[in-house]
Amino acid sequence: GAGVSQTPSNKVTEKGKYVELRCDPISGHTALYWYRQSLGQGPEFLIYFQGTGAADDSGLPNDRFFAVRPEGSVSTLKIQRTERGDSAVYLCASSSKGGGTEAFFGQGTRLTVV
Amino acid sequence: AQSVTQLDSQVPVFEEAPVELRCNYSSSVSVYLFWYVQYPNQGLQLLLKYLSGSTLVKGINGFEAEFNKSQTSFHLRKPSVHISDTAEYFCAVSANRGYNKLIFGAGTRLAVHP
Repeated sequence: GAGVSQTPSNKVTEKGKYVELRCDPISGHTALYWYRQSLGQGPEFLIYFQGTGAADDSGLPNDRFFAVRPEGSVSTLKIQRTERGDSAVYLCASSSKGGGTEAFFGQGTRLTVV
Repeated sequence: AQSVTQLDSQVPVFEEAPVELRCNYSSSVSVYLFWYVQYPNQGLQLLLKYLSGSTLVKGINGFEAEFNKSQTSFHLRKPSVHISDTAEYFCAVSANRGYNKLIFGAGTRLAVHP
């Protein structure tokens, strides 16, 4: 595709359930990022992948959050035992190189935990 | 650690008037600076960035920003706005040279009125 694709666009889940959010980066982009945007706030960094490996996961809030990128392209953000405070828009971005290059963002997945 | 402060949460302006969206940052190391725009129901789009060199940076859609190291500011300006500029604008910094670990401000909502 031409841009970063995220699915689903919306997800409603019950408290305590497990969810997976998917990100398809721009083809050929080796760097992939996940951010979380709460209502009225700017995006917050969660995790960075270079290729298949998570090079920086310092933004993951706790061990209920986990992300993978097994083949160096598609990534999945996984949230266990969801809580109402996890409700937010989860954004994925990809870029071709390192710092200073443009990060292209997807439209996000709006997660609502009820 | 880095932080970003966007001094105005909302900026109302009439069409064809000039506008300035203010951004201040804090960092103990040198940083890259970015402005992103988020139109309704769309992903974040890069407007412009400062990496080094000339402190006046020109971006897309007629926007420009000036890096002021002594005041640790990176204000965004446009001499004449259009209705279509109505959106949320985010200032961001990245201190890590290897990848785009972006730290975002809370955003400024620009509302252009006819």
